[in-house]
Amino acid sequence: QKEVEQNSGPLSVPEGAIASLNCTYSDRGSQSFFWYRQYSGKSPELIMSIYSNGDKEDGRFTAQLNKASQYVSLLIRDSQPSDSATYLCAAYSGSARQLTFGSGTQLTVLP
Amino acid sequence: EAGVAQSPRYKIIEKRQSVAFWCNPISGHATLYWYQQILGQGPKLLIQFQNNGVVDDSQLPKDRFSAERLKGVDSTLKIQPAKLEDSAVYLCASSWGTSGLNEQFFGPGTRLTVL
Repeated sequence: QKEVEQNSGPLSVPEGAIASLNCTYSDRGSQSFFWYRQYSGKSPELIMSIYSNGDKEDGRFTAQLNKASQYVSLLIRDSQPSDSATYLCAAYSGSARQLTFGSGTQLTVLP
Repeated sequence: EAGVAQSPRYKIIEKRQSVAFWCNPISGHATLYWYQQILGQGPKLLIQFQNNGVVDDSQLPKDRFSAERLKGVDSTLKIQPAKLEDSAVYLCASSWGTSGLNEQFFGPGTRLTVL
């Protein structure tokens, strides 16, 4: 059973702080990794993808991947109340040819 | 560019009844996915189509769930008969290809409540 694990939270940070979201995966064959944001009652939307070890930055978001440790993280700098949502980590396995999602971390940014 | 369309948005049925959901993917997207998202969990893949062929249906409860993709475009997901544990949001997604590099775009979902 291929698994993606996330802390369910909730995680609360003050406005302007850095929010750190973590994810581990069990399938060493996973090739690509995604962070989706899901507002309450809405569908997931992709915010970051990462395929290689290291960091990838996009605006206020930085994704980090460490394949040796089977660990993926998402940092949100200068957090805003509008960032309050559930963040889903997902790993793509080439052998299974499917995306496996974690259960999500609920983030609340306090004004 | 129009997004993934789904209908209905909400459905309430009694257990043992049947229900069907419809999805229209983004134009030109060859790959279509149906996910089930139970409250508090991440989406779980039920079935994946490449054009009108099934790529993966290993997690589809085939005794009660069925899906088809007509002419490689629209798709329907059916549950017959429904159980209480089928209460969830059913998400349809599409992508240009099947590679893990292809972003999946999600529709608004259908929220199913089974009483």
